Amino acid sequence: DGGITQSPKYLFRKEGQNVTLSCEQNLNHDAMYWYRQDPGQGLRLIYYSQIVNDFQKGDIAEGYSVSREKKESFPLTVTSAQKNPTAFYLCASSTGVHKATNEKLFFGSGTQLSVL
Amino acid sequence: SQQGEEDPQALSIQEGENATMNCSYKTSINNLQWYRQNSGRGLVHLILIRSNEREKHSGRLRVTLDTSKKSSSLLITASRAADTASYFCATVRPPPGRRALTFGSGTRLQVQP
Repeated sequence: DGGITQSPKYLFRKEGQNVTLSCEQNLNHDAMYWYRQDPGQGLRLIYYSQIVNDFQKGDIAEGYSVSREKKESFPLTVTSAQKNPTAFYLCASSTGVHKATNEKLFFGSGTQLSVL
Repeated sequence: SQQGEEDPQALSIQEGENATMNCSYKTSINNLQWYRQNSGRGLVHLILIRSNEREKHSGRLRVTLDTSKKSSSLLITASRAADTASYFCATVRPPPGRRALTFGSGTRLQVQP
């Protein structure tokens, strides 16, 4: 059953704590993305990765970090430097920018992060 | 930055009516895509229209693109209660622009049974 899996579905962060959101895909996609969605708003790009061991900042990268050590995995760490982390976080993947010029994204079901 | 802006922000219609949502964007694009999101869930791709296309159909969906006005519209015909969701447009810039989708703020559609 191919797809993109995010975990956990709900996550709570204490003050000064770093938390990591998991994103795994078995679609053999090269590119992966992290978006943040605030209530009633659109999606804003945090980080994206076009290939293993490479990633680029999006529009709101401050306070976040990522790694791409494996093709299947693109974890997002929300650091204590992110002062307003409460949001819905969405991970997505696509075939890869070098393979197709017209690509659609496949999304996970999201992680709701809240601050205690 | 929000590349696309949808209009209206919210739309309420009766089952069987048509729903039209508009999207405006700011820069040149490679393609424009529409996505649907049910509350609390991930987004699902609906349709993609390339910059050299003017209209595209998929089932009850019709998308138009006017690159001279930097705008697109999504029409859902004969709407159903199950169409209730938020709809987002998203754009990709041509090379050497950033190869990641930029999303608009969305239109929340409510279809009353």
